[in-house]
Amino acid sequence: AQSVSQHNHHVILSEAASLELGCNYSYGGTVNLFWYVQYPGQHLQLLLKYFSGDPLVKGIKGFEAEFIKSKFSFNLRKPSVQWSDTAEYFCAVFLNAGGTSYGKLTFGQGTILTVHP
Amino acid sequence: EAQVTQNPRYLITVTGKKLTVTCSQNMNHEYMSWYRQDPGLGLRQIYYSMNVEVTDKGDVPEGYKVSRKEKRNFPLILESPSPNQTSLYFCASSVVGVASYGYTFGSGTRLTVV
Repeated sequence: AQSVSQHNHHVILSEAASLELGCNYSYGGTVNLFWYVQYPGQHLQLLLKYFSGDPLVKGIKGFEAEFIKSKFSFNLRKPSVQWSDTAEYFCAVFLNAGGTSYGKLTFGQGTILTVHP
Repeated sequence: EAQVTQNPRYLITVTGKKLTVTCSQNMNHEYMSWYRQDPGLGLRQIYYSMNVEVTDKGDVPEGYKVSRKEKRNFPLILESPSPNQTSLYFCASSVVGVASYGYTFGSGTRLTVV
């Protein structure tokens, strides 16, 4: 079964620091990759997604992620974090098996990011 | 406004008392799904539905039931809730080809079973 692993449970940074959150998945086939953000008390919102093409994907709020197929990784980055980026971040993988369009997103365990002013 | 609406937002109940959490979407999405979120475990899929009258188990279906009689609604039923079902529940929906768009999530239902 496919699985998604996020390396860090809790990351604490000061404003203006750079951010990189790790995400690895365990499936050798074609996948579609997502990062979601969950602000305190709110539902999940899509940050960015990767399907194909340029492995460097840009999302909202200055976030980007790089797909490295050889490493089965899809790490999230932001050059300079803000206090308002305090949230929980989830990596998710969709198994794209032969064009099948139904199924599920498998989520990682989540990484809580705390940004101090 | 396009959205997924869950009710109630908060619910405290007692062990064994049947309950239903409703989910409705106004985007004409074919796919709907229920997840539960627990600290350190991320989101785990309970059930999903590809269309009306088509449902299937996710990773943690035990103790839950669903139905999809109408395209817009996908209620989650706990016939006999137990304390280990205390969790934060999210309903989500998507167009055909969930991979292309990802899910749109509801605001969540925080369930406590005592």
